[in-house]
Amino acid sequence: QKEVEQNSGPLSVPEGAIASLNCTYSDRGSQSFFWYRQYSGKSPELIMFIYSNGDKEDGRFTAQLNKASQYVSLLIRDSQPSDSATYLCAVISSGSARQLTFGSGTQLTVLP
Amino acid sequence: DTAVSQTPKYLVTQMGNDKSIKCEQNLGHDTMYWYKQDSKKFLKIMFSYNNKELIINETVPNRFSPKSPDKAHLNLHINSLELGDSAVYFCASSPPGARETQYFGPGTRLLVL
Repeated sequence: QKEVEQNSGPLSVPEGAIASLNCTYSDRGSQSFFWYRQYSGKSPELIMFIYSNGDKEDGRFTAQLNKASQYVSLLIRDSQPSDSATYLCAVISSGSARQLTFGSGTQLTVLP
Repeated sequence: DTAVSQTPKYLVTQMGNDKSIKCEQNLGHDTMYWYKQDSKKFLKIMFSYNNKELIINETVPNRFSPKSPDKAHLNLHINSLELGDSAVYFCASSPPGARETQYFGPGTRLLVL
């Protein structure tokens, strides 16, 4: 069964610290990897995507992918209280349908 | 000017009723989706339509029937509502050639009593 797993948290970090969110996936043929942010009571919004092994940086966010270990992570530098949200990892699985499979999310709280 | 819109935003109804949720996108996307998010925040795809044709139909009770009158609209009709149908239902859309880049609507919060 194709799955995406995340530690549900909650994860608490102090303001200004680095928040590290982790995700593992079971389908070795997965091709594309995404991080969505969902504020409480709101809809998910795409914040990062990564396709190749290594790091991808966008402002305070860095996505890291290791296909051999089937592991993808999101680092948030200089965390702000406004980063407090649930972060959903999503993977495009192998196969023609190219559907997104989501993890259950990690709840992040950044403490002022 | 909302990109992906859903109606209604909230829906409270009794068990056994039939209800519909509507979704519209004005982004020119050709693929639309319905997701269900349960109380544990797990977001699971239900259906996907590409240019009005069904392309993904996950294991969903046949009480749920999607309908896409055109590629800008995807509606969800639910018959004989059950308590377990209570969840947030999100519509999403994606542009041609980029199904992984999905834009979500605001969600419809369904509560079945």
